[in-house]
Amino acid sequence: DAMVIQNPRYQVTQFGKPVTLSCSQTLNHNVMYWYQQKSSQAPKLLFHYYDKDFNNEADTPDNFQSRRPNTSFCFLDIRSPGLGDAAMYLCATRTGRETDTQYFGPGTRLTVL
Amino acid sequence: AQSVTQLDSQVPVFEEAPVELRCNYSSSVSVYLFWYVQYPNQGLQLLLKYLSGSTLVKGINGFEAEFNKSQTSFHLRKPSVHISDTAEYFCAVTLNTGGFKTIFGAGTRLFVKA
Repeated sequence: DAMVIQNPRYQVTQFGKPVTLSCSQTLNHNVMYWYQQKSSQAPKLLFHYYDKDFNNEADTPDNFQSRRPNTSFCFLDIRSPGLGDAAMYLCATRTGRETDTQYFGPGTRLTVL
Repeated sequence: AQSVTQLDSQVPVFEEAPVELRCNYSSSVSVYLFWYVQYPNQGLQLLLKYLSGSTLVKGINGFEAEFNKSQTSFHLRKPSVHISDTAEYFCAVTLNTGGFKTIFGAGTRLFVKA
């Protein structure tokens, strides 16, 4: 029944060691988002895809990259994680209509040692 | 630029008491308004949304919200809360001019006490 799936749920990496988080969806939505959420804060949009069109937020660090090989999958790559990158990473999907709801995955909690 | 302000970072309340979580927004264009709930270590889940029409919107779990255009507010209410309502609540807006970005408020932590 899960519509937006994120793996792994918990990820531990070392300072500077590249890490990839994955997201998949069964909703066939055009739009996929990646958010970073730190403790007791609002989700912060990193980037989104509309189909294959990639849109980076202006303040997203270069250290964060993303790939969307097909409609169902989207990946977040953190090239050199720093301690400040420890957070919950949320994937969400939506249709192309701005009136529609975003559907969120359960998140991946990233710990950087 | 658009912004969303949630006026209370934490709201403690006793079980079966009523609650109101406040949200104000600022935008130069019309927006669509949403409330999401986040339980610990989970993603966000839609409670309700306002697109147009009746200003009183009913959502899941007994929550409702009222859109007030003149006050640019979209406060969330529940007449009687349960322990299970303890969670983080986020107010959010999306521009009705198209686009894909949703702007979230900082969140209000609702803590229901027995």
